[in-house]
Amino acid sequence: DQQVKQNSPSLSVQEGRISILNCDYTNSMFDYFLWYKKYPAEGPTFLISISSIKDKNEDGRFTVFLNKSAKHLSLHIVPSQPGDSAVYFCATYNNNDMRFGAGTRLTVKP
Amino acid sequence: NAGVTQTPKFRILKIGQSMTLQCAQDMNHNYMYWYRQDPGMGLKLIYYSVGAGITDKGEVPNGYNVSRSTTEDFPLRLELAAPSQTSVYFCASSYPKAGGDTGELFFGEGSRLTVL
Repeated sequence: DQQVKQNSPSLSVQEGRISILNCDYTNSMFDYFLWYKKYPAEGPTFLISISSIKDKNEDGRFTVFLNKSAKHLSLHIVPSQPGDSAVYFCATYNNNDMRFGAGTRLTVKP
Repeated sequence: NAGVTQTPKFRILKIGQSMTLQCAQDMNHNYMYWYRQDPGMGLKLIYYSVGAGITDKGEVPNGYNVSRSTTEDFPLRLELAAPSQTSVYFCASSYPKAGGDTGELFFGEGSRLTVL
């Protein structure tokens, strides 16, 4: 069963514009929702997270939105930069149980 | 700080062979994890440990074993390699923060295993 879904395998945006990455989940029992970023030949690195009791968390150019009624999570990157080109994984977490989506490959064109 | 170190980075095994993927962290983290990532899929949890001497199964533990004799090391053992175990393996660690465990993991660079 795929509890975390990232329906867009890829996304391409122009430098300076907004990137919006989306994620849907099925289980309502998760405490935290996270985004990880992965460059080729490297391990994922933590980007930003949000608690299930919040609906928005912002860190510089990165903002995560949580819509619990829709079971939907999104990551906004503004403005997008070429160095943001990577694979982005969303994840849900509760008590050592972390479930990852399949990832979305973001390409930011100069 | 080296962070999370995995060895080897690449390995080719024949069906039925055994091997151990090594993982070490120098951040004094209590929690350690092994994930596998198959092409086009998210990471799936194989095993995890919340401290030395304590291990537990994750989502896909069959065909693997782990041990945690020290805080620093968390090796993953494949006893009888099968083609279905061809994957990229990631080790990760974390520590429970004051205020709760938020799930922020620190990953190694990965070990690419091919079973032929």
